[in-house]
Amino acid sequence: SQTIHQWPATLVQPVGSPLSLECTVEGTSNPNLYWYRQAAGRGLQLLFYSVGIGQISSEVPQNLSASRPQDRQFILSSKKLLLSDSGFYLCAWRRGLNQPQHFGDGTRLSIL
Amino acid sequence: AQTVTQSQPEMSVQEAETVTLSCTYDTSESDYYLFWYKQPPSRQMILVIRQEAYKQQNATENRFSVNFQKAAKSFSLKISDSQLGDAAMYFCAYRSAVTGTASKLTFGTGTRLQVTL
Repeated sequence: SQTIHQWPATLVQPVGSPLSLECTVEGTSNPNLYWYRQAAGRGLQLLFYSVGIGQISSEVPQNLSASRPQDRQFILSSKKLLLSDSGFYLCAWRRGLNQPQHFGDGTRLSIL
Repeated sequence: AQTVTQSQPEMSVQEAETVTLSCTYDTSESDYYLFWYKQPPSRQMILVIRQEAYKQQNATENRFSVNFQKAAKSFSLKISDSQLGDAAMYFCAYRSAVTGTASKLTFGTGTRLQVTL
């Protein structure tokens, strides 16, 4: 069966510090991968998606970036965090044209 | 661009009763998928039910069922025999079936469901 791992679960970072959130999927190959952000009390906003290694599409201009160095690894990064980057970050994967997205457990990011 | 609207920020239901959560969407596409996701306090996003737009029959998963009205662009979720564990945020989501769109999900803003004794 397929599983998705996302870490860390919780992260507290100072403004201006770098960021690296990692997401890996097991049990499948060539999945579509997604990064979402959920601000407090709001819905999910798609940040990035990837259809293959090294292929990244950005949905929202921001100081975040994403990379996919391996087939089942998706990384969300920032060189300098802003207060507005606080939120709940969710990674998701999908395999198959008519399959739903499945989500990781998320990372709660707090910027101080 | 597609939009998804959930007009009920909060709903409350008594245990064992039935509740319906509303969702409407806007699209010019004829083929797409609709989903309901549940987000409990643990913040996980859990797929509850999905509906293919080309299917006229409403999807059902145990106590969860949908009322899909394609012409009205409405996709409501009915929870029967509500349980305390159903308390969560519920998100309606849309996904295009057009090849090449990478299956991006568009989410509504969510409905917080409270279940009371």
